[in-house]
Amino acid sequence: AQTVTQSQPEMSVQEAETVTLSCTYDTSESDYYLFWYKQPPSRQMILVIRQEAYKQQNATENRFSVNFQKAAKSFSLKISDSQLGDAAMYFCAYRSPLEYGNKLVFGAGTILRVKS
Amino acid sequence: EAQVTQNPRYLITVTGKKLTVTCSQNMNHEYMSWYRQDPGLGLRQIYYSMNVEVTDKGDVPEGYKVSRKEKRNFPLILESPSPNQTSLYFCASRRDRLGYGYTFGSGTRLTVV
Repeated sequence: AQTVTQSQPEMSVQEAETVTLSCTYDTSESDYYLFWYKQPPSRQMILVIRQEAYKQQNATENRFSVNFQKAAKSFSLKISDSQLGDAAMYFCAYRSPLEYGNKLVFGAGTILRVKS
Repeated sequence: EAQVTQNPRYLITVTGKKLTVTCSQNMNHEYMSWYRQDPGLGLRQIYYSMNVEVTDKGDVPEGYKVSRKEKRNFPLILESPSPNQTSLYFCASRRDRLGYGYTFGSGTRLTVV
């Protein structure tokens, strides 16, 4: 079974600075999808960015970008120019296109605090 | 507005008292799923449904039931809640099995005393 590990329970960043959240995963599959979700205090699950494993190019969405290292099974999220609104819990998630239930496998999450 | 609606948002109940958390989506999605979120564990899938009358267990199904009689609704039923079911619950939907993005409900905070 696939597993997702987020080794940083909490991170802090100064406003306008850059922070990187780590995520590693374990799988024997070659094709899969990876996601970062943001959960602010409102509890809403918000998709931040996604990456298809077959794509070598790292995904980017405005201030959010990923460093996808397939061989190392690493999928880190970089937030540039951090803003107060970025403070939230961030979850890394994996999805297999082959598994019948198509579930998302989540990491334990990283709480990001943004200091003004 | 395309959305997944969960109710209630908060619920406190006593051990053994049957309860239902409702989930409804207005996007005509085939695939729906329930997750529970616990500290240090992230979100884990409880049950999922590929279409009407098609449901199956996820990773943590014990103590839960679901039904999918209509495409839009996917209620989560706790027949005899216990304190270890105290958690944050999310319903999610996706267009179909190959669909890319998930839409999540706003969550239900359940406390069983």
